[in-house]
Amino acid sequence: NAGVTQTPKFRVLKTGQSMTLLCAQDMNHEYMYWYRQDPGMGLRLIHYSVGEGTTAKGEVPDGYNVSRLKKQNFLLGLESAAPSQTSVYFCASSSGDWTDTQYFGPGTRLTVL
Amino acid sequence: DQQVKQNSPSLSVQEGRISILNCDYTNSMFDYFLWYKKYPAEGPTFLISISSIKDKNEDGRFTVFLNKSAKHLSLHIVPSQPGDSAVYFCAAKGNDMRFGAGTRLTVKP
Repeated sequence: NAGVTQTPKFRVLKTGQSMTLLCAQDMNHEYMYWYRQDPGMGLRLIHYSVGEGTTAKGEVPDGYNVSRLKKQNFLLGLESAAPSQTSVYFCASSSGDWTDTQYFGPGTRLTVL
Repeated sequence: DQQVKQNSPSLSVQEGRISILNCDYTNSMFDYFLWYKKYPAEGPTFLISISSIKDKNEDGRFTVFLNKSAKHLSLHIVPSQPGDSAVYFCAAKGNDMRFGAGTRLTVKP
């Protein structure tokens, strides 16, 4: 039982490049989330999903796209990376709605040069 | 705009004493509040939560207090242990989840 895993752990991109971050959970959770953490800002919700095939915007969705084709996976895409997207990205999942405990992955540190 | 604020970036306490971490919020629509703990190079882990219909919730050494009129919540850790040294985030649920910037707690032996 691995919980929530994130791939990759580290990545360096050049401005304008694209990439996809993969989040996988093995707890059969319905809800999945993508957050970014920046110094002095705490965690900010980018996008979330309340079930397979659904996605919704969070607090800071601009510049990101997501897909939830399979229940266990939640992908975060950057089509044209910008230095402002340098951050640590956390994925999380929960069994039900927002009041259920969210289980977080270990994070992906992304640097955009 | 930051709707959830943790105004103390850091806190240092002696082992065995009480740690009090504070959190303020501005959105009166928040109806559920949580505390998460984060160690370096790991994701946050859930610690304790409280519904807006309550003013206190206890779980072992951890107690969360909610003062709705002041839009303020606090986390008390008694007694504090060196293993409690981590960054603590408060979070509030409205239409989605909003987090504070975190407070780094250091418990000295």
